[in-house]
Amino acid sequence: EVQLVESGGALVQPGRSLRLSCTTSGFTFGDYAMSWVRQAPGKGLEWVSFVRGKAFGGTTQYAASVKGRFIISRDDSKSIAYLQMNSLQIEDTAMYYCTRDGGSNYGAFDIWGQGTKVTVSS
Amino acid sequence: QSALTQPASVSGSPGQSITISCTGTSSDVGVYNYVSWYQQHPGKAPKLMIYEVTNRPSGVSNRFSGSKSGDTASLTISGLQAEDEADYYCSSYRSDSTVVFGGGTKLTVL
Repeated sequence: EVQLVESGGALVQPGRSLRLSCTTSGFTFGDYAMSWVRQAPGKGLEWVSFVRGKAFGGTTQYAASVKGRFIISRDDSKSIAYLQMNSLQIEDTAMYYCTRDGGSNYGAFDIWGQGTKVTVSS
Repeated sequence: QSALTQPASVSGSPGQSITISCTGTSSDVGVYNYVSWYQQHPGKAPKLMIYEVTNRPSGVSNRFSGSKSGDTASLTISGLQAEDEADYYCSSYRSDSTVVFGGGTKLTVL
C-alpha cells in the first residue's frame, strides 16, 4: 500500500524554524517528484514547493510566499522528503500535506498524506 | 502568484449534472494541459479526481469528467450523488515552473 506520513508539525514562535518530514512506503520513492501543499485554517489549498527525482535533476521550485525561507529536500535512500521552514511567520500557520506527483512532474498529486499541523504564534 | 478563479459555490439536486469552472491565464491553464482537479471532504486530505485536463485516476467514477477551452478548465459531475458534496479545487502547472491552485468551490447537493 502506498503511504505518505508527515511528522514534525508543532506550535512555534514567529521567526523560529521547523523541519517537516514525509516518510513514504509502498512505491519506488526515487522515481517520483514530491511536493508540499498547505491549507490555512478555513482556507483553500496552496502549493508550497516540489522536488523532482534524480532522473530529472532533483530540481526544486518554491511558491513566492516561501521562497528564500523554506528549503525542500529528499533522501532517496530513506524514502523521505523534508521541508525545512525558516523565519516562520504567522501566515505560515496551516496544515501541511506531503504529496506525490503521479508521474508527470507537472503537478498531478495522486497520493496525499494525512497532514501535519503547524501553528506559528507568540 | 494569483490563484486560479473558481466560483465560490455551486449546487445541484441528486441525479443532475453540474459544472465547475476554473479560469487561469495564458501562462498556466491556457498553455499547459496540466490541469488537475481535487475533491476534499471536511477534515480529510484532498483526493485527485482528474489529471492532465481529462484523465481519471484508477478508481474514480466516470461520472467525473474534465475539459478545457482556452484559459478555462471545467469539471463536470453527472448523476450527482449525496457523497459528491465536498470542496473542489483545480490546479495548473505554470510557465514559471510552479503550481497554482484555484480558490476552491463548495458543492452542495440539495
